[in-house]
Amino acid sequence: GQQVMQIPQYQHVQEGEDFTTYCNSSTTLSNIQWYKQRPGGHPVFLIQLVKSGEVKKQKRLTFQFGEAKKNSSLHITATQTTDVGTYFCAGQGSNDYKLSFGAGTTVTVRA
Amino acid sequence: DAGVTQSPTHLIKTRGQQVTLRCSPKSGHDTVSWYQQALGQGPQFIFQYYEEEERQRGNFPDRFSGHQFPNYSSELNVNALLLGDSALYLCASSSGTLRHYGYTFGSGTRLTVV
Repeated sequence: GQQVMQIPQYQHVQEGEDFTTYCNSSTTLSNIQWYKQRPGGHPVFLIQLVKSGEVKKQKRLTFQFGEAKKNSSLHITATQTTDVGTYFCAGQGSNDYKLSFGAGTTVTVRA
Repeated sequence: DAGVTQSPTHLIKTRGQQVTLRCSPKSGHDTVSWYQQALGQGPQFIFQYYEEEERQRGNFPDRFSGHQFPNYSSELNVNALLLGDSALYLCASSSGTLRHYGYTFGSGTRLTVV
């Protein structure tokens, strides 16, 4: 079945630095979504990417969908303490209704 | 306000018992998906309900069952509870006809099996 993998599992970042988290699927995806879960909270939808090679920006966050629609990345610039949390990518296959989540990248920020 | 309401927020059950969790979707959403999230893990798909039918199911045993009502609310039932069923159970709602929109998650039910 479809598997979604994320690296790294943990990201410790100095405030003000940039970092990237990566997501890879074992199968071609119809779309990929990104969610953020704060400690003790629930996943909150950030964005969805549908087209091959698509790039979307939300302020300091840049999301990219690979050309083969099997991988994605999230790049955060000038990390702030508000960026703390776990970032999940979630993929949906062409014949799937379900959204399959990766294990997440947990981000901590050093002030 | 998440828009998705789950109850109860916390629950402690004994091994072998049965539990029912409830979810009211965000207004305008007609599809409900249930996920199990163990500590430090990503959400694992249990099943999805649309038009009162189970539309897709993940790799969970038959002890996990569900229901969707005409008002789109949903229940998750787990029979013969095991210690390993202890987790955060998340309900997510979405629009069944619009596949390219994100899910709205509830705050979850924290189930502890002792």
